[in-house]
Amino acid sequence: EAGVVQSPRYKIIEKKQPVAFWCNPISGHNTLYWYRQNLGQGPELLIRYENEEAVDDSQLPKDRFSAERLKGVDSTLKIQPAELGDSAVYLCASSFLAGVNEQFFGPGTRLTVL
Amino acid sequence: AQSVAQPEDQVNVAEGNPLTVKCTYSVSGNPYLFWYVQYPNRGLQFLLKYITGDNLVKGSYGFEAEFNKSQTSFHLKKPSALVSDSALYFCAVDGSGGYNKLIFGAGTRLAVHP
Repeated sequence: EAGVVQSPRYKIIEKKQPVAFWCNPISGHNTLYWYRQNLGQGPELLIRYENEEAVDDSQLPKDRFSAERLKGVDSTLKIQPAELGDSAVYLCASSFLAGVNEQFFGPGTRLTVL
Repeated sequence: AQSVAQPEDQVNVAEGNPLTVKCTYSVSGNPYLFWYVQYPNRGLQFLLKYITGDNLVKGSYGFEAEFNKSQTSFHLKKPSALVSDSALYFCAVDGSGGYNKLIFGAGTRLAVHP
């Protein structure tokens, strides 16, 4: 079974440029999560989707971050414009339904903003 | 506020010796607790979870964790460490009462020496 797929794996951009990350969850998983992991810290939830609906985006910085999950499968997370402090690893995870189920994580996208 | 603390940045143990990675939590309501492991260049992998019932939870790769309500702890243990167990370990608590909104600790790096 294929795991959670993320691309790109690495991205280097200059500040003020836009950037987008893509995630393909495990087939059949209707819950999708985007996390940000700063160096030396644990992941922090940015947004959670149930199918195509964003049910928790309370920690998403909406002035520059946006996300979408069209058709309830793949998802894209965008930053525009990027700032130096956005340098981090962006993780996508999926799980089968909500509730207290294990989340399956992708390998992440390491973003460096210069 | 919900929170997780991992008091040790790094734990060093000799191969074959027992290991413990500590975690304490603060949550209102019933605690749903998780351990995840992160290997280099790979996504987080689920090890085990506590929902209810027996305080000793068994998980993947021979790991287990003991839930202690009075001490608000959920320490990860293994009777005999392997060099291949060397990785970054994260404790997490579901701070949403079962809606899978995980709050992660900062992580503990486990180094198992031959």
